Amino acid sequence: GENVEQHPSTLSVQEGDSAVIKCTYSDSASNYFPWYKQELGKRPQLIIDIRSNVGEKKDQRIAVTLNKTAKHFSLHITETQPEDSAVYFCAASRRNTPLVFGKGTRLSVIA
Amino acid sequence: DVKVTQSSRYLVKRTGEKVFLECVQDMDHENMFWYRQDPGLGLRLIYFSYDVKMKEKGDIPEGYSVSREKKERFSLILESASTNQTSMYLCASSFGLNYGYTFGSGTRLTVV
Repeated sequence: GENVEQHPSTLSVQEGDSAVIKCTYSDSASNYFPWYKQELGKRPQLIIDIRSNVGEKKDQRIAVTLNKTAKHFSLHITETQPEDSAVYFCAASRRNTPLVFGKGTRLSVIA
Repeated sequence: DVKVTQSSRYLVKRTGEKVFLECVQDMDHENMFWYRQDPGLGLRLIYFSYDVKMKEKGDIPEGYSVSREKKERFSLILESASTNQTSMYLCASSFGLNYGYTFGSGTRLTVV
């Protein structure tokens, strides 16, 4: 089955700097790659996703890139703000299978 | 606003008790999921359901069962709670298996 590795497990950045979180997946048939943000004490919420027919997707300060050949995808957050502090999860799935999640990255944005 | 509602935010149960965790969604989603969240282990899939009365094992189904009698409701059952089942349990629903999931707020279960 699918295996998703996520790095780093913790990340601290200065406010205004960029943050990058990387994930690798094992199943070359995976075609859907979402990212979730979980603030302290709250539910995970979908922030951006990408499908395998697209190499990059942006939404304001966040972007996701996908390299199918290398089987990895990354979340990029620019101009970080304190409210970006949270745990971020990547996930992957192939058609008709549930999402498999990475173990999460705790991002701290230092003001 | 679409919602996935979990009936309890916090639960404390004794070892050996039968525990029911309830989840209701109002989005008419076909698919529902139960995940377990533990520090450093991420979200691990316990069971999922793609239709009423249908269920599939996830990665860690041992010690758990599920019930889906109605489309909007998906229950997780711990037949005989054990201390290693102390965890945060998250329910989710989705339009399709590999589409975005909407999560509930979670139930933090402590087994003593």
